[in-house]
Amino acid sequence: EVQLVESGGGLVKPGGSLRLSCAASGFTFTSHSMNWVRQAPGKGLEWVSSVSSRSSYIYYADSVKGRFTISRDNAKNSLFLQMNSLRAEDTAVYYCAKESTDGVSPLDYWGRGTLVTVSS
Amino acid sequence: IQLTQSPSSLSASVGDRVTITCRASQGISSYLAWYQQKPGKVPKLLIYAASTLQSGVPSRFSGSGSGTDFTLTISSLQPEDFATYYCQQLNDYPLTFGGGTKVEIK
Repeated sequence: EVQLVESGGGLVKPGGSLRLSCAASGFTFTSHSMNWVRQAPGKGLEWVSSVSSRSSYIYYADSVKGRFTISRDNAKNSLFLQMNSLRAEDTAVYYCAKESTDGVSPLDYWGRGTLVTVSS
Repeated sequence: IQLTQSPSSLSASVGDRVTITCRASQGISSYLAWYQQKPGKVPKLLIYAASTLQSGVPSRFSGSGSGTDFTLTISSLQPEDFATYYCQQLNDYPLTFGGGTKVEIK
């Protein structure tokens, strides 16, 4: 059974930093690209970032480029999102999501999310 | 690439045929997926490649379209289908989602 479990969310002040983690199991982690998608309270889905299976290809939404860094540790089946210079508008539930293949492909499994709140 | 979904919300009854549209700001071939999200739940993949049903998804869901115009159709709305539906383009980065269509009970 595929499982994606996010952690690391919490309350942080504007300008602060936070590192999200996603522990993956139940599939061959090294064969799939991974993504972060966020959802602000009461709002729609916003794609944040993608990383290919071997971290050869990394992409970001314009809204987080230069502030967020996606990474993965294939030896530990883990995905990360380092978030710096956080803003109030970054407040959201952050989902870790698995692509169906390695490359641009639909998100077939999602974690339950971790809430990030940016507030003074 | 911007995705515009319409309507943003709709009210329908059980048994109704429901159609949701998603328009891309430029051609995306068939690189479009649809997701369903129920309140307090995680998004679920319904359809990919514009018209391919994800495993385990009921056949009352169908997708069509290519280029810039796409539709998600629920042939006979069931109580468990009341949710918000999102399209997502997979043609180019940055990947984008539509704004969502909330399907409510009439």
